[in-house]
Amino acid sequence: DIVMTQSPDSLAVSLGERATINCKSSQSVLYRSNNKNYLAWYQQKPGQPPKLLIYWASTRESGVPDRFSGSGSGTDFTLTISSLQAEDVAVYYCQQYHSTPVYTFGQGTKLEIK
Amino acid sequence: EVQLVESGGGLVKPGGSLRLSCTASGFTFVNAWMNWVRQAPGKGLEWVGRIKSNSDGGTTDYAVPVKGRFTISRDDSRNTLYLQTSSLRAEDTAVYYCTTDVGLPTLGQWGQGTLVTVSS
Repeated sequence: DIVMTQSPDSLAVSLGERATINCKSSQSVLYRSNNKNYLAWYQQKPGQPPKLLIYWASTRESGVPDRFSGSGSGTDFTLTISSLQAEDVAVYYCQQYHSTPVYTFGQGTKLEIK
Repeated sequence: EVQLVESGGGLVKPGGSLRLSCTASGFTFVNAWMNWVRQAPGKGLEWVGRIKSNSDGGTTDYAVPVKGRFTISRDDSRNTLYLQTSSLRAEDTAVYYCTTDVGLPTLGQWGQGTLVTVSS
């Protein structure tokens, strides 16, 4: 199975500042046939299910604010929140869907306000 | 609007069984491939298993930790997904989410989850 590793495990950022979360996969999640990275990012707030933010590594799901962006290719990916808002406090997960049916998630990164 | 509502969780003794249900609405359930994902208290997300639509064969796949103990099934007439669990262990304690990928390349629709606690 593909192993997903996120860094850091936790992060404290001031309101209005940039937050950056990294995700590394144990093997490439890029399909060369369509040049798409099978990588998604989720946000999970306490007591709620995960919410899909980004898929294909950089495509925002409908309704997701444009301060959220995803980048990267192959095995290394980044989720960036350009200007942190109070409502962005959550745990963030990366996920690969390259090797379905087995979906694997990173261990999560807890984002807090400094 | 897609809605997924899980039910059936509760407290069960080690070695016991429990059947979870997920009732779906707002999309064409008969065509959907459905998944279960779980989350142990304070831990991350773990994929449990998947069932394809019956038109795609209705086959199932499971994560290694649950293979042979859990069974996923579906009743398209009731728009309902099931997870039959057996030989439960303490490490199966988790919130179990029903999830699917309608109109998306990955799991974009999630229920609120149902908590299974395995304890004596």
